[in-house]
Amino acid sequence: QKEVEQNSGPLSVPEGAIASLNCTYSDRGSQSFFWYRQYSGKSPELIMFIYSNGDKEDGRFTAQLNKASQYVSLLIRDSQPSDSATYLCAVMYGNKLVFGAGTILRVKS
Amino acid sequence: DVKVTQSSRYLVKRTGEKVFLECVQDMDHENMFWYRQDPGLGLRLIYFSYDVKMKEKGDIPEGYSVSREKKERFSLILESASTNQTSMYLCASSPTGGNIQYFGAGTRLSVL
Repeated sequence: QKEVEQNSGPLSVPEGAIASLNCTYSDRGSQSFFWYRQYSGKSPELIMFIYSNGDKEDGRFTAQLNKASQYVSLLIRDSQPSDSATYLCAVMYGNKLVFGAGTILRVKS
Repeated sequence: DVKVTQSSRYLVKRTGEKVFLECVQDMDHENMFWYRQDPGLGLRLIYFSYDVKMKEKGDIPEGYSVSREKKERFSLILESASTNQTSMYLCASSPTGGNIQYFGAGTRLSVL
């Protein structure tokens, strides 16, 4: 069984702080990793993807991948109340995308 | 922009009814997927399709079937709805060779 684990939270951070979201996965052979954001009652939307070890930055978002330790993380700098959502980590296993249960992020103004 | 449209946002059905959930995408994507999302369980793959008239089982196909007669349309069928199929259903699509999936708005199904 391919697994993707996330802390369900909620993770609470003050406005302007860095939010750090973490995800671990079970299969060392995985090559593709994704972060989706899901607002309450809405569908998931892709915010970042990463294929190689190291960091990938896009605006206030940085995805970090460590294949040796089998974890992927998402950093959100200068967190805003509008970042409050559930963040889903997803890992490609073969031809299937397996999702974690998501971490609830709350940014307090 | 990729657009994935699910026919209903909310549905209420009775136990034993046959239920059809429709999904249409407008980006000529080959791959289409049906997931259900439940609190604490995340998204779980029900069925997917890589081509017209082709289907493959996902992780939880029991109680469901699918139909893909046209490239742009992928239907999820609950042959005899049961209360444990009350859930949020999400359709997604992606292009061939592409890993990024684009989601529809979801259908919240309640089976009474």
